[in-house]
Formats: sequence, C-alpha cells, structure tokens
Amino acid sequence: GAVVSQHPSWVICKSGTSVKIECRSLDFQATTMFWYRQFPKQSLMLMATSNEGSKATYEQGVEKDKFLINHASLTLSTLTVTSAHPEDSSFYICSARDRPGGRGEQYFGPGTRLTVT
Amino acid sequence: AQSVTQLDSHVSVSEGTPVLLRCNYSSSYSPSLFWYVQHPNKGLQLLLKYTSAATLVKGINGFEAEFKKSETSFHLTKPSAHMSDAAEYFCVVSRAGDSSYKLIFGSGTRLLVRP
Repeated sequence: GAVVSQHPSWVICKSGTSVKIECRSLDFQATTMFWYRQFPKQSLMLMATSNEGSKATYEQGVEKDKFLINHASLTLSTLTVTSAHPEDSSFYICSARDRPGGRGEQYFGPGTRLTVT
Repeated sequence: AQSVTQLDSHVSVSEGTPVLLRCNYSSSYSPSLFWYVQHPNKGLQLLLKYTSAATLVKGINGFEAEFKKSETSFHLTKPSAHMSDAAEYFCVVSRAGDSSYKLIFGSGTRLLVRP
C-alpha cells in the first residue's frame, strides 16, 4: 500500500515550451502533496506544498508563475514547468501525505527527470 | 529553524561489516527525525522515524538509529552490510506537531558496499 506514481518518468523538451508532471496517490487519499527538486548528487529541496482544493504554498525563491501547481483531487497533483529553460533541467520528486486517520507519513514518487534542450 | 547535517558525503564498507551513517540536527522545537533511502530510479523509502517515543528506533532491513538529545545526533547503524544496502541515504527533520508537515533534508550520504 501507500504507492505514489509520477508521470512521465522522464521527459525531454525544447526551451520555451511547457511540461506537465503528474503525481498520483494510487491507494490512498492525500490532502497534502509536496513537490521537490533534486539536482545531480544533491539533496532534495522543497519547492511547494499543495493542498487539495486550495492554492499551493511556495518556498522562498521558487517562482510561482513558472512552476504552476494544481491539486484538483485527493489523488492527483500536477506541476507544470512553464517556458522551460535549460536551467530548469532537474529531477522533480513529489510526495503525498495521507489524510488524518492514516499514518500521517509522506510517501514519495519515483521522480521525473526533466531535460530542457 | 531546523536543519540537518550529514557528516559524510560517502561511506564505503565491506559486505558483512557494520554501517554507521552520521547525522546531526538543529531544531528549536521537539523534532521528528527520519532516515530515508533512495535507490536509483526508485522513490525514497522510509527506513525509520523518531517522534519522541523510544530513543532507539528500529527500522526496516535491520537498520536502527538512536536519538541523542545531548549530542543532537541521530546516527543510522546496521550491524552487517549487504550489497543491496548500497544507495543514497538522507537524514530528515521536521518539527513535531508542525501542521505544515514540511521535511528538511540533509545533503545525503552515499553508501558503497564492497564485496
């Protein structure tokens, strides 16, 4: 149980285009989902917190207009990288926290590798 | 503010020997502490967590960690390394009772296991 999927697992796009990454909790409902960014051989940096039915909360330094987050249901959050540039190339990881009454843990997806050419 | 420092970027051990991955934390509040493992092309997996109950925490795959408040440490240990333990390990802190549930990750330690 407690599986989180991400789609796609990897994507290559051209500079200036937009890319959408999906994060799904497959067997539980997640009121809160998180988006992280991981550069090669570095740690995970929290980008934003996504709550179902409300606006995402972004960490300091993260451009909300560039990284659009939508959490439309209790099992799906999406991250859209708009007007992507090569410096946006990174590994994007989502996590989902099960709702109150669950174990309250964060479960992580396998990540999406984005390469912008 | 909370933070974690993982003292070693790489640790190399021989198969069958003990593993020690070091982590020190800083927190103004009672922390919750976690160890996660990241295998290539797989999602992060929770090894164990400390949430102010027993200071010695046992996790999956034979790992355990001891919370030492006086030393602000939460080192991860395993008596005998297996080849399958080779991965990246992250020490993570969050503020106990923090309704934001934010996790702060350490820089990671890559564990290499030699045959």
